[in-house]
Amino acid sequence: KAGVTQTPRYLIKTRGQQVTLSCSPISGHRSVSWYQQTPGQGLQFLFEYFSETQRNKGNFPGRFSGRQFSNSRSEMNVSTLELGDSALYLCASSPQVSGRGYSEQFFGPGTRLTVL
Amino acid sequence: QKEVEQNSGPLSVPEGAIASLNCTYSDRGSQSFFWYRQYSGKSPELIMSIYSNGDKEDGRFTAQLNKASQYVSLLIRDSQPSDSATYLCAVLYNTDKLIFGTGTRLQVFP
Repeated sequence: KAGVTQTPRYLIKTRGQQVTLSCSPISGHRSVSWYQQTPGQGLQFLFEYFSETQRNKGNFPGRFSGRQFSNSRSEMNVSTLELGDSALYLCASSPQVSGRGYSEQFFGPGTRLTVL
Repeated sequence: QKEVEQNSGPLSVPEGAIASLNCTYSDRGSQSFFWYRQYSGKSPELIMSIYSNGDKEDGRFTAQLNKASQYVSLLIRDSQPSDSATYLCAVLYNTDKLIFGTGTRLQVFP
């Protein structure tokens, strides 16, 4: 079974620009979660989508948004990029939504975003 | 107090020894706990999940959970240099949000 895929793998943007990252979950998985990973803060939860609906959201500003399509693929958008947005963005898929108290998540390879 | 706390390490152990990684969490209501391994430059990989008090063994790995003490640990027996990585503890909060610790870096030397 193919794993979680993310595109692009690397991205360089300048401040003020916007960016869209894509994630395709494992076949059959309906939940997609997004995380930001930085050396100082570790892995921080951005949001989770299940059946095209955002189910949970972390403590990030409104510049960070996402959506999920009917085929469970998900996109994450960051508008008005700041230097501090430079990070590894990871997406993880799961068969079930976290709200059921079960959350074995499988991560994709990540997108390394650099903001200049 | 952080929601999930881990010692950042590095934890250095000789090859063949037992590596003990620890994690504490603040939410008493948490029911689901996970250990992920992350090699440098790679994404996290799930290695263990545990939901009940006690021990859960999978090969060389044993996860231990003590909900009364809000403590979860991972033991790696017969440590190998290939086990050298950062180990992330994750706790499912309020049944809807997976919170990660900042990870413990493990170094296994020959």
